[in-house]
Amino acid sequence: GQSLEQPSEVTAVEGAIVQINCTYQTSGFYGLSWYQQHDGGAPTFLSYNALDGLEETGRFSSFLSRSDSYGYLLLQELQMKDSASYFCAVRGGGATNKLIFGTGTLLAVQP
Amino acid sequence: DVKVTQSSRYLVKRTGEKVFLECVQDMDHENMFWYRQDPGLGLRLIYFSYDVKMKEKGDIPEGYSVSREKKERFSLILESASTNQTSMYLCASSKNTGELFFGEGSRLTVL
Repeated sequence: GQSLEQPSEVTAVEGAIVQINCTYQTSGFYGLSWYQQHDGGAPTFLSYNALDGLEETGRFSSFLSRSDSYGYLLLQELQMKDSASYFCAVRGGGATNKLIFGTGTLLAVQP
Repeated sequence: DVKVTQSSRYLVKRTGEKVFLECVQDMDHENMFWYRQDPGLGLRLIYFSYDVKMKEKGDIPEGYSVSREKKERFSLILESASTNQTSMYLCASSKNTGELFFGEGSRLTVL
C-alpha cells in the first residue's frame, strides 16, 4: 500500500518559523511535492524535490531525505496570509506520473 | 498562464442520475487527473490519464469512469450518482513533473 502522514494542524505566530513534516510509504518514488490551499480555493504548487537536500524559494524551503522517506516544508517569516492548508504529495506509487496526496496540515498564523 | 477549466462550479443531482464533469486544459499537458476532496481526507485520486485514450485507476475508482478522447479534455463520469459521491471534485494537469495545475473545482451535491 501507500500512505503519507503529516500533522493535521499547526499553529504559529506572525514572524515565526514553522516546519511541516511529511513521511511517506509508497511503491516506487520519483519525488515529493508541496501544495498550498486557501479556504475555498484550489491547491497551488509550492515546490518539488526529486533529490535529497534543501530547495529554497523565497520564504519557503522544502527538504527531502529519500533514505528516511521523509520531507518537510519550512515557512519563514510567517505572515497572516500563510494561513492555509498544506499538502505533501508523492510522485510514484507504481506510475511515474501518479501523484498521491497526504491529508493536509492546517496552518493557523496568529497575530 | 496555464489554465485548467472545469465546466461547472456547482451541481445538484438526484440519486441515480448520470453525471458528467468536464475538464479542459490549454497547455498541451500529457497528464490529467481527477481527485475528490473531502474534509479530513485530503485529495484522493480517482483516475488519471497519461495520454489520449489511456487511463489508470487511482485509489478510489469505484463508481466512476473517465474518458480522454482529446489531449486537452478529461471527463469524469458518475454512471449512477449516489449520496456518498457528494464532494468537491478537482481536475488537474501536468507535464512529466511533480507540478500539478488545478482547476477551480466542481462541488457536487447528490440528493
